[in-house]
Amino acid sequence: EVQLLDSGGGLVQPGESLRLSCAASGFTFSSYAMNWVRQAPGKGLEWVSGINTSGGGTNYADSVKGRFTISRDNSKDTLYLHMNSLRADDTAIYYCVKDQRTSSRGNFDYWGQGTLVTVSS
Amino acid sequence: QSALTQSPSASGSPGQSVTISCTGTSNDVGRYNYVSWYQQHPGKAPKLMIYEVTQRPSGVPDRFSGSKSGNTASLTVSGLQAEDEANYYCSSYAGSNNVVFGGGTKLTVL
Repeated sequence: EVQLLDSGGGLVQPGESLRLSCAASGFTFSSYAMNWVRQAPGKGLEWVSGINTSGGGTNYADSVKGRFTISRDNSKDTLYLHMNSLRADDTAIYYCVKDQRTSSRGNFDYWGQGTLVTVSS
Repeated sequence: QSALTQSPSASGSPGQSVTISCTGTSNDVGRYNYVSWYQQHPGKAPKLMIYEVTQRPSGVPDRFSGSKSGNTASLTVSGLQAEDEANYYCSSYAGSNNVVFGGGTKLTVL
């Protein structure tokens, strides 16, 4: 059974940093692209970032480019999102998401349960 | 990276069919056959219902179907059931390994 366990969310002040983790199991983690998708309270879905199978290819939404860094450790079956210079509008549930392809194409077939990040003073 | 356009709401009675549309541009929906649809119930993670415009993952009822014409993709739900009431989101590949979502459509079963 495919499982994605998101963790690392919490309450931080504007300008601070946070690292999200996603532990994957039930599939060959190194064979699929992985992504982070967020959802602000009461709002729609927003793709945040994606990473290819090797970790050598990363992409970001304009809203987080230069502040967030996605990475993966295929030896630990774990995906990360390092978030710096956090702002109030980064407040959202962050989902770890598996793609069906080796690079992000939007075929998001499995989702984590989500971890809530709240940015507030 | 502009969001795809979806109508905020749609509705239908049990047993009827309803179609939800998703309009993009020639740089995303119109260019690539990587359009997906997701169902999200309140407080739950989204669920993949359709991928690559028309493909249904195993376990998704065949009442759900997808199509595309030009820059607009559509999700049709036939034989509406109470459990189909949810928010539906489309997404599209937008090139350079980027993905864009629609704003979501709330489907109400009357």
